[in-house]
Amino acid sequence: NAGVTQTPKFRVLKTGQSMTLLCAQDMNHEYMYWYRQDPGMGLRLIHYSVGEGTTAKGEVPDGYNVSRLKKQNFLLGLESAAPSQTSVYFCASSYLRDSYEQYFGPGTRLTVT
Amino acid sequence: SQELEQSPQSLIVQEGKNLTINCTSSKTLYGLYWYKQKYGEGLIFLMMLQKGGEEKSHEKITAKLDEKKQQSSLHITASQPSHAGIYLCGAVSVYNFNKFYFGSGTKLNVKP
Repeated sequence: NAGVTQTPKFRVLKTGQSMTLLCAQDMNHEYMYWYRQDPGMGLRLIHYSVGEGTTAKGEVPDGYNVSRLKKQNFLLGLESAAPSQTSVYFCASSYLRDSYEQYFGPGTRLTVT
Repeated sequence: SQELEQSPQSLIVQEGKNLTINCTSSKTLYGLYWYKQKYGEGLIFLMMLQKGGEEKSHEKITAKLDEKKQQSSLHITASQPSHAGIYLCGAVSVYNFNKFYFGSGTKLNVKP
């Protein structure tokens, strides 16, 4: 099993450009999450999904959109990138809500200039 | 809002020394989770504590949750360079069980 994979690993965008980050998991997990990690602020939840076709806002959802058309994939979109979105983005998945043993991807480092 | 305070923010210890990292919440926690992040990589789940007074150990790492379920400590015995990384505590939001949030992390360096 590959676990949780993220593409791309690195990306540089100019202000105003758009992009989509892809997260894929092969563990048949129901729950998927997108976080951003900034220095001194830990990880903050952007959006999450409790199952195929469902999405919900997390702590810092503004400027991002997500989709979960297939159970194994969770996409994070930036429609008009801003320098404040420069961060490391992590995707995670978990099988049960109550276990919360989340499996994390390796991260995507995004720089917006 | 619900927050997790971690201390210290960073720690440098000599190999072989013991150390403790703390995680404190202003609200009673549903559960407390410890993760480790190697520099530049994703997070790895270490342990989960759910009951007040619970204590779990894995190899040289022991985590405890106090009786009130508001404070947890992570203790590493006889630290090794392989223990270096960022340790984060996480918890389920008491307002929404579908949401999960993290402390700001503790950076640990272990000097050989």
